Amino acid sequence: DSGVTQTPKHLITATGQRVTLRCSPRSGDLSVYWYQQSLDQGLQFLIQYYNGEERAKGNILERFSAQQFPDLHSELNLSSLELGDSALYFCASSSHPLSGGTTDTQYFGPGTRLTVL
Amino acid sequence: SQQGEEDPQALSIQEGENATMNCSYKTSINNLQWYRQNSGRGLVHLILIRSNEREKHSGRLRVTLDTSKKSSSLLITASRAADTASYFCATESNDYKLSFGAGTTVTVRA
Repeated sequence: DSGVTQTPKHLITATGQRVTLRCSPRSGDLSVYWYQQSLDQGLQFLIQYYNGEERAKGNILERFSAQQFPDLHSELNLSSLELGDSALYFCASSSHPLSGGTTDTQYFGPGTRLTVL
Repeated sequence: SQQGEEDPQALSIQEGENATMNCSYKTSINNLQWYRQNSGRGLVHLILIRSNEREKHSGRLRVTLDTSKKSSSLLITASRAADTASYFCATESNDYKLSFGAGTTVTVRA
């Protein structure tokens, strides 16, 4: 158990809908990362938040957005869903970027499996 | 886009044997990390090697890094059935983003 929790575990929805995935980082971790894992694209970095602020952006679609709240939990919002958005969505957390620019170890949650029908 | 590429894509070995997988990457990195993923579950961090390190050990794991060749290897010694999983290398670039490879699927036969 990594200490990172994600809800829900499974989500089945229809095209065009909007869903919200939730992540609670490990106690004390300030950074939250979101990843998408699909069969064709592999594991893709989406976005990172650090202490409530967006810190880095990856291959995140404009239909997707995220935020980190004052209690450090994070939500990933996916809208206008398409069949191709079906994937495993992982959240990871780390304590803080170490001085010198390297990040700390990332601890992954169990993921949310999204199925778009 | 994926920066790291693992080789081989799949590996099947007998329990007790060693498993070696390789990772190649394209751009300069801060560090390289190896993760394990059991089927459909979250990733588990195994080991991190910084760009100024050449070799690192953790239990039955040995990781090497050759920045001149932009490559790394992960060796699992004395494999066990519980080592059956997918293994991913991830490179952290200068903008702190982690890029994952496609992974190596390891099957350890009893």
